[in-house]
This record gives sequence, structure tokens and C-alpha cells, in this order.
Amino acid sequence: RKEVEQDPGPFNVPEGATVAFNCTYSNSASQSFFWYRQDCRKEPKLLMSVYSSGNEDGRFTAQLNRASQYISLLIRDSKLSDSATYLCVVRDTGRRALTFGSGTRLQVQP
Amino acid sequence: EPEVTQTPSHQVTQMGQEVILRCVPISNHLYFYWYRQILGQKVEFLVSFYNNEISEKSEIFDDQFSVERPDGSNFTLKIRSTKLEDSAMYFCASSEWDRGMNTEAFFGQGTRLTVV
Repeated sequence: RKEVEQDPGPFNVPEGATVAFNCTYSNSASQSFFWYRQDCRKEPKLLMSVYSSGNEDGRFTAQLNRASQYISLLIRDSKLSDSATYLCVVRDTGRRALTFGSGTRLQVQP
Repeated sequence: EPEVTQTPSHQVTQMGQEVILRCVPISNHLYFYWYRQILGQKVEFLVSFYNNEISEKSEIFDDQFSVERPDGSNFTLKIRSTKLEDSAMYFCASSEWDRGMNTEAFFGQGTRLTVV
């Protein structure tokens, strides 16, 4: 049973496109949610936390649906520099450990 | 910008040898972690450390692994007798005192361990 599940992609999109990634998590006790970005052979870096009411940071919008145990990330006006793997990450109640999904690879093309 | 630093960036070791991976967390952070990522696979939690003791560990973190904070700045991961399947990228991370469950964990650039 996969705890955090993501479509591996790759998503190949042209510059300027809007792209959406989805993620499902299996543990209803999950309490904190994040999107991290990982470039090839580099460390994960926090892109944004995901709040219950949804939140936006520039071109990036994250949504959480606790009832469906579903998280999304929307990237508007894609840039070449957005090319990376996007990791859906959850933290369960009472735990410090982060549980990572396998990631969705995005390739933005000129 | 403060960062987590790890050394070495790449370590090659023979099967059965002991390795120590080193990390310097961000100075005012109180929680420290080790994660690993086998090539082509997802990032996996190994252990968290707070107040000089392990606060949580995963099934991967068996008796072959240990962690230590030998002084006020370093945080180390020791693998006593390496196996081929220990080959992976090992990431150290740290976070502040819990300001809420969305407290960010900052990751180091990783140590690539290759067991031959």
C-alpha cells in the first residue's frame, strides 16, 4: 500500500502553459502537507506548505481536500526553470517524520 | 541564508566497512534528521533526533545504523557494516523548534554513498 501516491509523469509542457499535479495520501491522520521540489541529484527543497483553505504563492497554488485525502499543485505560466521533480510530502499527527511520494517529473520545453 | 552542510559529498566504501556521514545542521535548529534516497526511488525517512536522543526511527534504521551529536555542531550517521543495498544518497535535515506542524525541514545537499 503506497502511503503517498503521485503520477510519475513526465509531464512535458511548453513554456507559458498551466500544469496541475495531484497526490493522494492513505493515512487520514496526516496533519501537515507540503510540496517539495527536487532537481536531478539534488536535495529536496520546500516549494510550499499546503493549508486547509488552499494557498497561493506567485504562480503556484496548492489545494488540500481532507475528505478525499487529496492534494494538488497548480503551476501557471510555466518557466523553463520549473523543470524538476515535484514531491508530495505529508507528516502524520504526532510524528516528526516526513513521508514522501515518488514525485512527478515536469519538463518545460521552449 | 543559513544552510545544512554535509560531508563528504561522495563516499565510496567496501562492503563490510564502517562509514560515518557528517552533517552540520542550521545553528538554531533543534530537530535533526537523516533520510536516504536510493537511485530512482523516493526519499525515505531514517531517524529523527532531538534533545540528544532518537525521537523516532523507521524500520530501515536497524542495529547497523547509529546517530550521534558529538559536539554542539555536528550530527553524524554511522553505518557499522555496509551492505551493497546501503548505496544511496543520504540527506541530513534540520528544523526549528516546532512552531506548528508546518515547520519546514531544511535539507543538506546530500552524501552519495557507494558500497562496492
